[in-house]
Amino acid sequence: GENVEQHPSTLSVQEGDSAVIKCTYSDSASNYFPWYKQELGKGPQLIIDIRSNVGEKKDQRIAVTLNKTAKHFSLHITETQPEDSAVYFCAASGETSYDKVIFGPGTSLSVIP
Amino acid sequence: DTEVTQTPKHLVMGMTNKKSLKCEQHMGHRAMYWYKQKAKKPPELMFVYSYEKLSINESVPSRFSPECPNSSLLNLHLHALQPEDSALYLCASSLSAAPEQFFGPGTRLTVL
Repeated sequence: GENVEQHPSTLSVQEGDSAVIKCTYSDSASNYFPWYKQELGKGPQLIIDIRSNVGEKKDQRIAVTLNKTAKHFSLHITETQPEDSAVYFCAASGETSYDKVIFGPGTSLSVIP
Repeated sequence: DTEVTQTPKHLVMGMTNKKSLKCEQHMGHRAMYWYKQKAKKPPELMFVYSYEKLSINESVPSRFSPECPNSSLLNLHLHALQPEDSALYLCASSLSAAPEQFFGPGTRLTVL
């Protein structure tokens, strides 16, 4: 079955710097890759996603890149702010709601003011 | 309405109690999910309902009993739980043919 690895497990950056989180997956059949942000005491929030027919997607300060050949994808956050502090989970699945979403272990991001 | 709501926010129960968790969405989503999340871990899938029918049970113990009374509502009935079942229980929903899942805030369950 699918296995998703995520690095680093913790990341600390100064406010205004960039943060990068990297994930790898094992199943070449996966073609949907969401990123979730989970703040303390809250449920995961879908912040951006990418499908296998796209190499890069950007939404304001966040961007995701996908290298399907190498089976890895990354989250980039620019101009980090204290409110970006949270746990971020990458995930991989098929294209439908019937496909199980496999989560990475998570990255705890701290943005230091 | 663009959110998934869950009640209660917190629940403390003894090992002999029976309680239920409730999840509701009014986004027209026809797939609904229950996840269990332990501290510092990713969510683990428990059950998937598609068009009010149970489509996936991830070998969850029978002390957890899901129910989907209608397309907007998902319940999780709890009975004879163990202390190790203490966790954050998350509900999610998605369009029937789309993988994007939207999560509720969760119910923090403590089993004494």
